[in-house]
Amino acid sequence: DAGVIQSPRHEVTEMGQEVTLRCKPISGHDYLFWYRQTMMRGLELLIYFNNNVPIDDSGMPEDRFSAKMPNASFSTLKIQPSEPRDSAVYFCASSLWQGSGELFFGEGSRLTVL
Amino acid sequence: AQSVTQLDSQVPVFEEAPVELRCNYSSSVSVYLFWYVQYPNQGLQLLLKYLSGSTLVKGINGFEAEFNKSQTSFHLRKPSVHISDTAEYFCAVRETSGSRLTFGEGTQLTVNP
Repeated sequence: DAGVIQSPRHEVTEMGQEVTLRCKPISGHDYLFWYRQTMMRGLELLIYFNNNVPIDDSGMPEDRFSAKMPNASFSTLKIQPSEPRDSAVYFCASSLWQGSGELFFGEGSRLTVL
Repeated sequence: AQSVTQLDSQVPVFEEAPVELRCNYSSSVSVYLFWYVQYPNQGLQLLLKYLSGSTLVKGINGFEAEFNKSQTSFHLRKPSVHISDTAEYFCAVRETSGSRLTFGEGTQLTVNP
């Protein structure tokens, strides 16, 4: 399997622009997670889905952030409008419910908002 | 609610020395425990996990961890580290009935020659 695939790997944008991050989970996994990693706050869970349905979005910082999972093989995290404090590495991870529910992470999308 | 505390933010060691990275957790119910490793500019990879059974868990790259229920700890150890072990290490906990994984703040392990 190719693993969790994220795009873009790097994104540099101007404040106020819309940013869309993409994720393809491992085939067959029924959970998908979006995390944000910064030096100040470490790894934060933003939102997670089960069978394409958002289960917990309490970690989404504010209304500028939205996430969708239109089907089992694709998810997006959108920031509109973006701000410099959104600069971070955004990780997508997927897992199977059965067993330990080990998370498999993508390589991340590094976002820089100028 | 579950929580994880990694007691050291940075651990510098010399090559071939032993290392222990400390992790304590808090939960009112039974949990699964994990250690993940993150190399520079990469995502997190699973190092090892404790689900049940033997409290001593062996993982990849010669790492092991011991689950201590009475002390609510899950410390990571390696008897002899290599330069290539330089990375950030994350302890994580998940309630056995839940689906949310909670991570600690991370420990940066730096192995010096």
